[in-house]
Amino acid sequence: KAGVTQTPRYLIKTRGQQVTLSCSPISGHRSVSWYQQTPGQGLQFLFEYFSETQRNKGNFPGRFSGRQFSNSRSEMNVSTLELGDSALYLCASSLGWMTNTEAFFGQGTRLTVV
Amino acid sequence: AQTVTQSQPEMSVQEAETVTLSCTYDTSESDYYLFWYKQPPSRQMILVIRQEAYKQQNATENRFSVNFQKAAKSFSLKISDSQLGDAAMYFCAYRPRDIFGTGTRLKVLA
Repeated sequence: KAGVTQTPRYLIKTRGQQVTLSCSPISGHRSVSWYQQTPGQGLQFLFEYFSETQRNKGNFPGRFSGRQFSNSRSEMNVSTLELGDSALYLCASSLGWMTNTEAFFGQGTRLTVV
Repeated sequence: AQTVTQSQPEMSVQEAETVTLSCTYDTSESDYYLFWYKQPPSRQMILVIRQEAYKQQNATENRFSVNFQKAAKSFSLKISDSQLGDAAMYFCAYRPRDIFGTGTRLKVLA
């Protein structure tokens, strides 16, 4: 069974640009969550999608947005990039929303903003 | 609002010894779940152990066990017979809300 796939693995962008990250969940998983990981900040929850609807949102500015498609694949977009957006972005998929089910993580996309 | 706190940024343990990682949380919800995840240097996060809040019995998975103190809102992870492969970042997490702690880096000394 294929795991969670995130593309691209590495990305370098210039301040002010926008970026789109992609996440393909495990087959059959309908919930996709996104996290930002920076040293010292741990994992910060961005948002969770279930059945194409955003069910939960973290405390991030509106420059961070996402969507989920009918096949459960999800994209995350960050507009007007800032240096502070440099981080590892992790995607996780699970069977359900707001449940005790295990979240399976991808390897992440390392975004560097210069 | 729910919070998860890991007060130990880094811990070290000798191979074959036991180590306990601390996690405290704050919530007013009665129904929730707690997890410990491990993130090895290769970065893929994997589940170590989970605990349902309604269960009084502490969860155990081989060498990994938790000490769940619901009244104290404490959820510590005990790793017995530590192995070199246990070296990683460990995150405590709360569900629902998907709240993670800042992580504890565990070093295993040969």
